[in-house]
Amino acid sequence: QKEVEQDPGPLSVPEGAIVSLNCTYSNSAFQYFMWYRQYSRKGPELLMYTYSSGNKEDGRFTAQVDKSSKYISLFIRDSQPSDSATYLCAMKGTGGGNKLTFGTGTQLKVEL
Amino acid sequence: GAVVSQHPSWVICKSGTSVKIECRSLDFQATTMFWYRQFPKQSLMLMATSNEGSKATYEQGVEKDKFLINHASLTLSTLTVTSAHPEDSSFYICSGRGLGTDTQYFGPGTRLTVL
Repeated sequence: QKEVEQDPGPLSVPEGAIVSLNCTYSNSAFQYFMWYRQYSRKGPELLMYTYSSGNKEDGRFTAQVDKSSKYISLFIRDSQPSDSATYLCAMKGTGGGNKLTFGTGTQLKVEL
Repeated sequence: GAVVSQHPSWVICKSGTSVKIECRSLDFQATTMFWYRQFPKQSLMLMATSNEGSKATYEQGVEKDKFLINHASLTLSTLTVTSAHPEDSSFYICSGRGLGTDTQYFGPGTRLTVL
């Protein structure tokens, strides 16, 4: 079993839709949770960074963490064609040396 | 946000040759740099972690004699793929992290194709 599970998609939605992207994890040591956006043939770009359970909002993006269920989500409101990309969740434990563990990424396509 | 560059962005080489990839932090000092490999439709897999001036720490299953990493300055790390073979063809991505910070900033990646 992988430490981080993420549905690879592809997920296709119409412009303006609310998008929900999710990851589950098995390692209870994970304390920091991130969402990255990766356009084709480009490096990942950090979108959201959260610590422990709760919600964090930044513009059209909301990150949600439920540690009791080991489940994290990224919501995108009013989705735009420019949001079409692969979204990777990543997480790590405490300590500066702990490496990031990534999900496989969900490919999102927002259609006009 | 902080900017990390990689060079080259893509490279094609013959089997058996060596290829060097550069990773530079342009506007911050990256005390730690990470090298990842990403195969098509798969996630980023950490290959090694390097701290400036120290030997790199390789992940299990990554051959340190094949993937040579040098992190000689706070703004430059290099990955050399020695005696490359077709199975080494992949997308190689570096990231940098500053002292006392938790955030990794990723480079745009280098696509390596070994013929």
